[in-house]
Amino acid sequence: QQQVKQSPQSLIVQKGGISIINCAYENTAFDYFPWYQQFPGKGPALLIAIRPDVSEKKEGRFTISFNKSAKQFSLHIMDSQPGDSATYFCAASTQAAGNKLTFGGGTRVLVKP
Amino acid sequence: KAGVTQTPRYLIKTRGQQVTLSCSPISGHRSVSWYQQTPGQGLQFLFEYFSETQRNKGNFPGRFSGRQFSNSRSEMNVSTLELGDSALYLCASSLTGDSYYEQYFGPGTRLTVT
Repeated sequence: QQQVKQSPQSLIVQKGGISIINCAYENTAFDYFPWYQQFPGKGPALLIAIRPDVSEKKEGRFTISFNKSAKQFSLHIMDSQPGDSATYFCAASTQAAGNKLTFGGGTRVLVKP
Repeated sequence: KAGVTQTPRYLIKTRGQQVTLSCSPISGHRSVSWYQQTPGQGLQFLFEYFSETQRNKGNFPGRFSGRQFSNSRSEMNVSTLELGDSALYLCASSLTGDSYYEQYFGPGTRLTVT
């Protein structure tokens, strides 16, 4: 059972454009929603995270939007750069489950110069 | 500060064999989690260890096991390897067992089963 659905699977954006990745979850007990960035040959690295008591969080060019009623959250990458070309994963966890992360399927982003 | 290290980085095994992968967490981190990453199934949680105790287990068969030592280093073992076990095995460490603390991933061990 896929508890976190991520879309699109891949994305091509021009340099300077906005990349938008969406995730939807089913488990209403989830209370922590991180986004990870993974480059080829590397492990995922935490990009930004949000808790459900906040509707939006911004860190530099990266913004998470969270809609609790719709059980959806999204990542916006503003002013996309070629160096942002990577695979992005949304994830979710519950405090009760400790560090167990449930990941979305991933989105491969390619930023064209 | 040194990051999470995993050894070996690459491994080729034959079906039916067993394998042990090692993970050294960031100094001071007490929680170690293991994930399997495949193109078809994505990133899937295997188990988490905190202070030498398994706190959580994912939906994997009993052939997958792990342990954590008093210095927080962790090992995972896969017995009776199957072709479908070919994957990138990632280890992540965290300061505590609280999900709100950032998890730091290692580079992974690429296991190929032939």
